[in-house]
Amino acid sequence: QSVLTQPPSVSGAPGQRVTISCTGSSSNIGAGYDVCWYQQLPGTAPKLLIYGNSNRPSGIPDRFSGSKSDTSASLAITGLQAEDEADYYCQSYDSSLSVVVFGGGTKLTVL
Amino acid sequence: EVQLVESGGDLVQPGGSLRLSCAASGFTFSAFSMNWVRQAPGKGLEWVSYISGASSTIYYAGSVKGRFTISRDNAKNSLFLQMNSLTAEDTAVYYCARERYSSGSFMFDSWGQGTLVTVSS
Repeated sequence: QSVLTQPPSVSGAPGQRVTISCTGSSSNIGAGYDVCWYQQLPGTAPKLLIYGNSNRPSGIPDRFSGSKSDTSASLAITGLQAEDEADYYCQSYDSSLSVVVFGGGTKLTVL
Repeated sequence: EVQLVESGGDLVQPGGSLRLSCAASGFTFSAFSMNWVRQAPGKGLEWVSYISGASSTIYYAGSVKGRFTISRDNAKNSLFLQMNSLTAEDTAVYYCARERYSSGSFMFDSWGQGTLVTVSS
């Protein structure tokens, strides 16, 4: 059971918009700790997608955006493309556990 | 270009030991904190351990504390993870990840390709 809760799967057609939620608690996201998002394509290492809740590293398309509110965060992907099919993970820090925590991951399927 | 290359993964018997390495290049290794993150087959990501640039601060996940030891050699741009008393639950791909700070936030901005550790008799 992950400290950060994500839906196991989401799907969307090419060109559509999807969102992935990441629900935490008062000891992690709700405590003000920032959220990062990572994309993991099949058989590859995770790749940083969003940091500081809503910032994109250079090279990440603006189709990807992040937000945070209270004890939750969200990743939005607009203009879905086949190449976006991957697993997505949120990550934060938990002050009660004193560890970095990841969500369980969400598998995005592009229909 | 930042490069992280892990090695040392292998098949090991329960109760055995293994030492993982991560060779870093393309950046000033000593200036960055480093982490190990693992991923069991078909499962999600799990943070394992952290070490600061000068090795002055070290943290472990509860699941590995007392069994794993993280270390680094800045002269050789290398990160290590000594794993003892291995169990089947330690079976995973182990990634080394560089930690970076920007605008008050930390992130794992670069990852290696991973090395597979299989614990089985």
